[in-house]
Amino acid sequence: EDKVVQSPLSLVVHEGDTVTLNCSYEVTNFRSLLWYKQEKKAPTFLFMLTSSGIEKKSGRLSSILDKKELFSILNITATQTGDSAIYLCAVEASTGANSKLTFGKGITLSVRP
Amino acid sequence: DGGITQSPKYLFRKEGQNVTLSCEQNLNHDAMYWYRQDPGQGLRLIYYSQIVNDFQKGDIAEGYSVSREKKESFPLTVTSAQKNPTAFYLCASRFRATYYEQYFGPGTRLTVT
Repeated sequence: EDKVVQSPLSLVVHEGDTVTLNCSYEVTNFRSLLWYKQEKKAPTFLFMLTSSGIEKKSGRLSSILDKKELFSILNITATQTGDSAIYLCAVEASTGANSKLTFGKGITLSVRP
Repeated sequence: DGGITQSPKYLFRKEGQNVTLSCEQNLNHDAMYWYRQDPGQGLRLIYYSQIVNDFQKGDIAEGYSVSREKKESFPLTVTSAQKNPTAFYLCASRFRATYYEQYFGPGTRLTVT
């Protein structure tokens, strides 16, 4: 059974802090790893990672994948209150002719002013 | 505007009644997905469809049914056989079945009493 584990499950920081969110996985036939941000309703896409060691960056957010150790991290620098959200990690795995995503439980980040 | 719509936003039903949640997309995406989100559980896959007239069970399909008669539409029926139907239901779609990010609709919160 495919498994995605995120840690920590929740985190409280102050504005300006840097945070690192972790995602480890055990899946058969790995294809990609995705990060999403969920603020109240629909998750919004952040990154898709398919290759080890190549950092993806968008503003203050960055992410990297290690396919040998089976994990990914999402870094947020100079956090702002608007970064408060649930951060979801999902892994895409092939299922024969199809593929599906398995999500972790999410990390709840609270950024205090 | 292109996007994914889910209706209604909030739905209340009595126990023992079947209920159908709507999901429509005008993004010309091939693949569509239904997830259920419970507090502290992340997203769990109910059903997915990679082409019209074809769909597969996800990890928690018991008590649910779907159809995919049109590319744009993927309705989910929550039957009376689903033991704990109260949850937040998210529909998603992606351009092709693999290596593309999923886009999510705004969700439907179903409460069964």
